[in-house]
Amino acid sequence: GAGVSQSPSNKVTEKGKDVELRCDPISGHTALYWYRQSLGQGLEFLIYFQGNSAPDKSGLPSDRFSAERTGGSVSTLTIQRTQQEDSAVYLCASSLARANQPQHFGDGTRLSIL
Amino acid sequence: SQQGEEDPQALSIQEGENATMNCSYKTSINNLQWYRQNSGRGLVHLILIRSNEREKHSGRLRVTLDTSKKSSSLLITASRAADTASYFCATLNFGNEKLTFGTGTRLTIIP
Repeated sequence: GAGVSQSPSNKVTEKGKDVELRCDPISGHTALYWYRQSLGQGLEFLIYFQGNSAPDKSGLPSDRFSAERTGGSVSTLTIQRTQQEDSAVYLCASSLARANQPQHFGDGTRLSIL
Repeated sequence: SQQGEEDPQALSIQEGENATMNCSYKTSINNLQWYRQNSGRGLVHLILIRSNEREKHSGRLRVTLDTSKKSSSLLITASRAADTASYFCATLNFGNEKLTFGTGTRLTIIP
């Protein structure tokens, strides 16, 4: 498609369950980013991929969070043993890996932990 | 953590008027970007201004950057109802690729 695609758009799960969030970037974009948006914390960076490697994982809040990217395209963000504080909108963005390029965002996955 | 603050936090104006939003940040930057977010949707990129630029225009949008004051402003001229959204500034620092976002301004255009 023309833009960044994220799935599911909404996810409701029980505390303690694992969840997987998917991001399909714009074709040809080698850089991929995950952010989290919550009422209390605003927009926060989680992790950045260049190709399949993640040179910056500094925003992952705990070791329950992990992400991978395969084939330089689709990325999956996994949250294990979910907690209520994980409730947020998880946003994915992609960009060309050149200087001063904008990041293009998907519509996000709204995650609710019961 | 967030780079800085945006003000006002909320702004309501009549359709046709101009809207100005301000953004302050804390550290040296490579560039500053403005994004719009409609309710329940992702962020839409509006404009990018590099650290060596002082002003940039795109349609009804005008962005200024003052690196000595670590601040930027976004002006939307001749506002329309469709401009109702939240607006965020985001900075990109030298040496890394992550955007650091401000707190956002909620703009409401009254028809």
